[in-house]
Amino acid sequence: LAKTTQPISMDSYEGQEVNITCSHNNIATNDYITWYQQFPSQGPRFIIQGYKTKVTNEVASLFIPADRKSSTLSLPRVSLSDTAVYYCLVVLSNAGNMLTFGGGTRLMVKP
Amino acid sequence: DADVTQTPRNRITKTGKRIMLECSQTKGHDRMYWYRQDPGLGLRLIYYSFDVKDINKGEISDGYSVSRQAQAKFSLSLESAIPNQTALYFCATSDLRPGSGETQYFGPGTRLLVL
Repeated sequence: LAKTTQPISMDSYEGQEVNITCSHNNIATNDYITWYQQFPSQGPRFIIQGYKTKVTNEVASLFIPADRKSSTLSLPRVSLSDTAVYYCLVVLSNAGNMLTFGGGTRLMVKP
Repeated sequence: DADVTQTPRNRITKTGKRIMLECSQTKGHDRMYWYRQDPGLGLRLIYYSFDVKDINKGEISDGYSVSRQAQAKFSLSLESAIPNQTALYFCATSDLRPGSGETQYFGPGTRLLVL
């Protein structure tokens, strides 16, 4: 079963930029990379999705290098309310369409 | 996501009891999933279904069964609940559109306690 790999936890301070990297060595040509945010006792919520290079929306940016074996979620100027767990998800077509969440990165934003 | 509902939201049961968790969606998606989350841990896939006649085991299907009664409904059953099935259970739906990747939409979760 192919899996993604993320740091277990990260700390930051309000106003800083946070970058969370996900490793996905088995990614296939047609797979997309998707990031979710989860607050305690709530279901994960979609943040951003990308295929290559860079994607930006009102919440975050997603950077994907040419080999696509990793991706980086960038949160600009985080606030206390960004404290959450962030999951990287890749649809790995070479794993029989089994969907796998990464272990998640617990981001703690401090005042 | 308000378009994905789960019932019950909380449930306390005893060891050996049979229980069913239900999920309904109004998004019109073909794909539905059941996940389990234990305190401080990530999501683990229990079962998934890509259409009404399709059922697939996930990472941790032992002790669970599912039923896809209709496109909009996907139920998870614990035939004989045991304490280590105490967890937070999430249902999710998704679509897979040409030219984009899959996006999952999660329900609010069902908190299950097995005594």
